[in-house]
Amino acid sequence: EIVMTQSPATLSVSPGERATLSCRASQSVSSNLAWYQQKPGQAPRLLIYGASTRATGIPARFSGSGSGTEFTLTISSLQSEDFAVYYCQQYNNWPFDFGPGTKVDIK
Amino acid sequence: EVQLVESGGGLVQPGGSLRLSCSASGFTFSSYAMHWVRQAPGKGLEYVSAISSNGGSTYYADSVKGRFTISRDNSKNTLYLQMSSLRAEDTAVYYCVKAAYFQHWGQGTLVTVSS
Repeated sequence: EIVMTQSPATLSVSPGERATLSCRASQSVSSNLAWYQQKPGQAPRLLIYGASTRATGIPARFSGSGSGTEFTLTISSLQSEDFAVYYCQQYNNWPFDFGPGTKVDIK
Repeated sequence: EVQLVESGGGLVQPGGSLRLSCSASGFTFSSYAMHWVRQAPGKGLEYVSAISSNGGSTYYADSVKGRFTISRDNSKNTLYLQMSSLRAEDTAVYYCVKAAYFQHWGQGTLVTVSS
C-alpha cells in the first residue's frame, strides 16, 4: 500500500499571505494525486486533481504541482474562507489513501 | 447532476450490525468503481472499502477486513456497506464516493457505536 504523508501538520498564516502545503507518497503515483479542502461540519471539497488541474469552480489562487512522489498545494493569497484542513489523496492504486491532513489556521 | 445519498446510520451497540446504503443518480452507476470513506469525530479521512464497477473486485482496509462487506446493485444504482461486529472505533461519518478522485460527496451518514 502507498503511504501518504503531509507537512506541516499545522500551518499558521496571515490573511493575504502565501501558503505552501506538501504531500509525499511512499512510491510513485504518477500525477494521480488530488487535494481536498474540508471545513468543520462539511464534507470534503475537491480542489485539485491530476496533481495540477483545478476542479470546477475552484479559484485560481489554488494551484497544485508535482509528480511521482512529491506534491505541493499553493494558496497564493489566503482569504478568510481558506482557513481549513487540507488533505491529499492518491488514486493511482487501490487503496486510494489520504494523507493525515494539514490544518491551515490564522496567524 | 451527480447525487450520492447515504442512509442507514444510527446508534448501535458494540458487537452489533448495520447496513449502510448509498443511492446514486446523475451518472451511469454501473460504469464506475465506488468507495466508502469514513471520518471519526475530530479525525482525518479514512479510506474504508472499494468495489469495482461490476462488483468483481473489492478492497477493505485492515481496520474493517473480515467485519465489513461492500456490495452493489447496479440495477438499483445503489451501493451498500454491511457492517458487523461493530466497535467503538467504527464511530464515524461514512461517505460514499465515486470513481478515482472524489469530486462528489454526499452528506454522509453517522454511525455511532456505543452502549
